[in-house]
Amino acid sequence: NAGVTQTPKFRILKIGQSMTLQCAQDMNHNYMYWYRQDPGMGLKLIYYSVGAGITDKGEVPNGYNVSRSTTEDFPLRLELAAPSQTSVYFCASNPSRDRVHNEQFFGPGTRLTVL
Amino acid sequence: EDQVTQSPEALRLQEGESSSLNCSYTVSGLRGLFWYRQDPGKGPEFLFTLYSAGEEKEKERLKATLTKKESFLHITAPKPEDSATYLCAVQPPPGNKLTFGGGTRVLVKP
Repeated sequence: NAGVTQTPKFRILKIGQSMTLQCAQDMNHNYMYWYRQDPGMGLKLIYYSVGAGITDKGEVPNGYNVSRSTTEDFPLRLELAAPSQTSVYFCASNPSRDRVHNEQFFGPGTRLTVL
Repeated sequence: EDQVTQSPEALRLQEGESSSLNCSYTVSGLRGLFWYRQDPGKGPEFLFTLYSAGEEKEKERLKATLTKKESFLHITAPKPEDSATYLCAVQPPPGNKLTFGGGTRVLVKP
C-alpha cells in the first residue's frame, strides 16, 4: 500500500490565484481530513469527511473548499489565495469508527507559499 | 472549547539524559489521547493511543502515561535518532476529529 499520498510537494502561488491540493489513500478508509500547520505550531483541522459525498467544516475552513466523490480521493481547493494561507498542508485518513485502531495516518504534506 | 497545551516548547538533551514531555488538556469527555512523532519536512507518525486514566504504553525508549488532566511522554536514555517534534492530540466526542497541541521539539546531542 502507498498509504496517504499528496501532490504537489511544493507550490508557490500569487495572491488571487487558485489551486487544488490532491490527496489520495489506498487503505479503504472512510474518514479523511485536511490540516494546516504553521511554523512552530500544531495542526489545525480545515475540513473532514466521514465518507464519499459527506464533508464538514473543521476549525479553520474559511478560504477553502473540499469535495469527496470517491472513498480514495479528498481534494482541497483554494479559490483566491492569500498570504495567510502560506502553510504546510497535511491530509490524513482514519481506518475505523471504533475505539480500537483509531489513529490517523498522515501524508507527507504540501508546502504552499502565497506571494 | 477543547484545548491542548504542550510543554516545554523545546528540549535539548544529551544522549542518555532521560526526560519527560507534558501534554495538558481540557476536553469535554475524552475518547482518546494520541502521541505522534514528526520529523522535519514529514507528516506526523503515530506512536500511541491512551484511552483512560492510569493507562501506560511503551515503545522502545518511549513511555506514555495518562491522568485525568494530562499525559506525559517519558524518553529514557535518548539517542540522537529520537530528535523530532512530538505532538499530542485529544479526541473528544463525537466523531474522530483530533485537537492538537503545539508540539515539543526535542534535540538529542551525542
